Amino acid sequence: GQQVMQIPQYQHVQEGEDFTTYCNSSTTLSNIQWYKQRPGGHPVFLIQLVKSGEVKKQKRLTFQFGEAKKNSSLHITATQTTDVGTYFCAGPQSGNTPLVFGKGTRLSVIA
Amino acid sequence: NAGVTQTPKFQVLKTGQSMTLQCAQDMNHEYMSWYRQDPGMGLRLIHYSVGAGITDQGEVPNGYNVSRSTTEDFPLRLLSAAPSQTSVYFCASSPRVLDEQYFGPGTRLTVT
Repeated sequence: GQQVMQIPQYQHVQEGEDFTTYCNSSTTLSNIQWYKQRPGGHPVFLIQLVKSGEVKKQKRLTFQFGEAKKNSSLHITATQTTDVGTYFCAGPQSGNTPLVFGKGTRLSVIA
Repeated sequence: NAGVTQTPKFQVLKTGQSMTLQCAQDMNHEYMSWYRQDPGMGLRLIHYSVGAGITDQGEVPNGYNVSRSTTEDFPLRLLSAAPSQTSVYFCASSPRVLDEQYFGPGTRLTVT
């Protein structure tokens, strides 16, 4: 079945540095979603990308969907301590099937 | 709206015991699902439901049962708990299967 791979698994950055996590799928995705989970919390939806080559921004966060719709990235500019958490990407296995989540990238921000 | 609620928040079971994790949503969502989260493994789908009376297996269904008698409720039953089922369990709901998922606060289960 379709797999969603995320890299890196962990990232430690100094506050103010940029951060990027990458998501790759073995198959073409109809859409991709990104979630954030704070330590001890539950996943919270950030954004959904649908179109090939789509780029969306949320303040310091930039999300991209690849032209082939098989990869995506989340970039955070000038990280803050509030960005700490695990970021997950998720996409449907095929068609209208449930989401498959990547294993996540855990971000630590050193003040 | 309360969103997605889960009970209990914490639970300790002995091997072989059974229990039900409760999940309810008040958003009239058709799609509901159960995930387990283990360190380094991300979120793995256990069972899901696209509407009342309809359930299906996810990636890791063994040892778990579900039912969906109403739109609001989607309980997860552990038939005979095993230490390998020690995990954090999240319930999620959405209007349709590919929509934004709303997660509950989770249940931390330990099986000794």
